[in-house]
Amino acid sequence: GAVVSQHPSRVICKSGTSVKIECRSLDFQATTMFWYRQFPKQSLMLMATSNEGSKATYEQGVEKDKFLINHASLTLSTLTVTSAHPEDSSFYICSAKTGVDSPLHFGNGTRLTVT
Amino acid sequence: AQSVTQLGSHVSVSEGALVLLRCNYSSSVPPYLFWYVQYPNQGLQLLLKYTSAATLVKGINGFEAEFKKSETSFHLTKPSAHMSDAAEYFCAVSAGWTGANNLFFGTGTRLTVIP
Repeated sequence: GAVVSQHPSRVICKSGTSVKIECRSLDFQATTMFWYRQFPKQSLMLMATSNEGSKATYEQGVEKDKFLINHASLTLSTLTVTSAHPEDSSFYICSAKTGVDSPLHFGNGTRLTVT
Repeated sequence: AQSVTQLGSHVSVSEGALVLLRCNYSSSVPPYLFWYVQYPNQGLQLLLKYTSAATLVKGINGFEAEFKKSETSFHLTKPSAHMSDAAEYFCAVSAGWTGANNLFFGTGTRLTVIP
């Protein structure tokens, strides 16, 4: 089955630093990947849609300059949290589709803690 | 707009007992509904989905869910809980199958199975 690998699974960083999270489709090509965020006791919320070779589409309220998304190849999308602050501490999860009508396949998620 | 509400952030059942996880949805268009499961340290896996066909949907691992339009519900059930069912379960709704990227998740229900 389709596998989405997300790395790292956990990261702790200091306030003001940047953190990069990788999302890879291991056995399929994903022209579109999606990034979600889940704050404690809240729903998973779609942050942005990442399209290979083009700019990401951000959901309302998500700062594109803070959450940089790069989708340079058909198997890799990265999310960089720039100048992280404690309020950015959250669970970030990516997903990808094998095709337009296929279900989503999720990565294992990344627990970000900003101190 | 679409949204889901999962009643009960934690549910505990005894091994062998009925599992009932509640999900109510709100949608301005006919909804597509999903249940995902997340085992510890793993990504989200699709349990089952409702896509306007049969209202009683059977999924993996003995789970099933029934779409009830009159009650705007899509509760997840399993007749007999196993220890391996302990996980977090997410209900989600989208406006359509091809719009499955625009999933709106509930806050999740953590299922504990007591031996």
